[in-house]
Amino acid sequence: NAGVMQNPRHLVRRRGQEARLRCSPMKGHSHVYWYRQLPEEGLKFMVYLQKENIIDESGMPKERFSAEFPKEGPSILRIQQVVRGDSAAYFCASSPLTSGRNTGELFFGEGSRLTVL
Amino acid sequence: DQQVKQNSPSLSVQEGRISILNCDYTNSMFDYFLWYKKYPAEGPTFLISISSIKDKNEDGRFTVFLNKSAKHLSLHIVPSQPGDSAVYFCAASRGTASKLTFGTGTRLQVTL
Repeated sequence: NAGVMQNPRHLVRRRGQEARLRCSPMKGHSHVYWYRQLPEEGLKFMVYLQKENIIDESGMPKERFSAEFPKEGPSILRIQQVVRGDSAAYFCASSPLTSGRNTGELFFGEGSRLTVL
Repeated sequence: DQQVKQNSPSLSVQEGRISILNCDYTNSMFDYFLWYKKYPAEGPTFLISISSIKDKNEDGRFTVFLNKSAKHLSLHIVPSQPGDSAVYFCAASRGTASKLTFGTGTRLQVTL
């Protein structure tokens, strides 16, 4: 499967624990985006990364959330000290590196569903 | 601040008829618009897009119309099929970044 791979698909954590969500982009894609979907809402942008660089983190909560996309390995979204309000579906998307105008199309993974008890 | 709005949370259409999904935006800097389709427990999949320099883009049964002066776009599906039943998200971007701003989605149900 050459699509965007996310794991785990489902994650249950108790309040105060840490959650780590992983995303491997499509082959040949070097841009990764994380979105969050709360119940009955649309997808909200969180962060945009390229290898070893955070390009835009304007949608990330100021505390407890961090993201990285190392030179080797998947992108990781890390949520420390989770609270019930963090329960959501977290989607990763990727796009290819383009030299010119980016068409904006993103390829999404199937999401990681976080439940905080 | 909801910059992309889909005011109809749901729509029911008979098989074979036309489905029209609507989307409004407030940010005049948006210059690229996309529609995504989402099935339960799956990620969104790209459907069709349109640049702000155009007012119509067609791909098979799917056509997107853009009215820049009204800051409004719509997705037409004709003829509608049961497999089209899904949640449809409108999204917009500006500049060369792929940061997409999504609407809240419209759930389309195509009935037999």
